[in-house]
Amino acid sequence: SQELEQSPQSLIVQEGKNLTINCTSSKTLYGLYWYKQKYGEGLIFLMMLQKGGEEKSHEKITAKLDEKKQQSSLHITASQPSHAGIYLCGAPPPLGQNFVFGPGTRLSVLP
Amino acid sequence: NAGVTQTPKFRVLKTGQSMTLLCAQDMNHEYMYWYRQDPGMGLRLIHYSVGEGTTAKGEVPDGYNVSRLKKQNFLLGLESAAPSQTSVYFCASSYSTVQPQHFGDGTRLSIL
Repeated sequence: SQELEQSPQSLIVQEGKNLTINCTSSKTLYGLYWYKQKYGEGLIFLMMLQKGGEEKSHEKITAKLDEKKQQSSLHITASQPSHAGIYLCGAPPPLGQNFVFGPGTRLSVLP
Repeated sequence: NAGVTQTPKFRVLKTGQSMTLLCAQDMNHEYMYWYRQDPGMGLRLIHYSVGEGTTAKGEVPDGYNVSRLKKQNFLLGLESAAPSQTSVYFCASSYSTVQPQHFGDGTRLSIL
């Protein structure tokens, strides 16, 4: 069973638009990590959230973890072509025996 | 600061051939991991190591072996390559299980 689900599976937006990607778990998370993968490259760590209600921002990307620690959202403001890629959420044990990754959300930003 | 370095970046093998993928990290991390990434399957853990001289099986270990003789290196071996092992392989490292993992750029492996 998929322990972390992401929605949407893929997203195409016009440059300048805002967007949100969601990551959901059926169990309480003990941390939630967001990564970005450019096509054909490795994963780049973006942000880590640990506390319920926590929110972190870096440049135009904001990530939040809900109070129940079962859902996280990643919001991009005024998207740019450089934001294109695959966004993955991940969670450390004990959600799984080892670190668990979501299936990813593929983002395309049209100039 | 190189971070996590994987070699080679690309490789094509014939069924039955063997090869070793190399991973090196310069961050003094205790934990190292090997993943494979396939379309529709996401990232799946093959093997991991919690320190020099230790290895453990992940989600999909069959057909692979690993070794961690030195803290900075984690090797992934395919003894007899099969077409089902065609994939992109990623190595990662971290200080602990709850710290972010740092990834290499991947090795694209095709088995014909």
